Amino acid sequence: NAGVTQTPKFRILKIGQSMTLQCTQDMNHNYMYWYRQDPGMGLKLIYYSVGAGITDKGEVPNGYNVSRSTTEDFPLRLELAAPSQTSVYFCASKAGALVTGELFFGEGSRLTVL
Amino acid sequence: AQTVTQSQPEMSVQEAETVTLSCTYDTSESDYYLFWYKQPPSRQMILVIRQEAYKQQNATENRFSVNFQKAAKSFSLKISDSQLGDAAMYFCAYRSAGAQKLVFGQGTRLTINP
Repeated sequence: NAGVTQTPKFRILKIGQSMTLQCTQDMNHNYMYWYRQDPGMGLKLIYYSVGAGITDKGEVPNGYNVSRSTTEDFPLRLELAAPSQTSVYFCASKAGALVTGELFFGEGSRLTVL
Repeated sequence: AQTVTQSQPEMSVQEAETVTLSCTYDTSESDYYLFWYKQPPSRQMILVIRQEAYKQQNATENRFSVNFQKAAKSFSLKISDSQLGDAAMYFCAYRSAGAQKLVFGQGTRLTINP
């Protein structure tokens, strides 16, 4: 059981380039999330999804887009990369609506924009 | 808006001893949930312990326990009989009842000295 899988693990982008961070989970979880973690800071929510076809903005959505065409996949798209998007990105999933439900995290994707 | 503060960027403890990590939060809500997550060097974050605000009894999971002081808005994590595998970043997190967003603190890096 792989859990939450993120690719790539590392990426260097030039300013203005675009890329997609992939996230796949095999636990049939309805809820999926994208967080970013900046040095010395806690995780901040970028976007989340409560099911296929439904997405919503988190705290820091500017510069990002998401889609949720299947239950398993929740890709994060960066358009026109900027140095401020240098961060570690985490995808997470959760089984249901219970607020006590445990979040399962991927191993993270370290992105550097130069 | 809710905030979570971890005032200890780094902590260290001798193996087999006890350490307490601090967390305070700010909210005007009465119904919420609190979590401690562990992020080992491999970077995959895992849930350590959770506490429902309506429960007066402090949560315990084996060597991990919390001291939940609702009036003081404090939620500290105690690790007993520290082991080398406990070395990690620890994040305190808050979620309002009915909300999907987890609010994270800045994290505390815990080092275990052999």
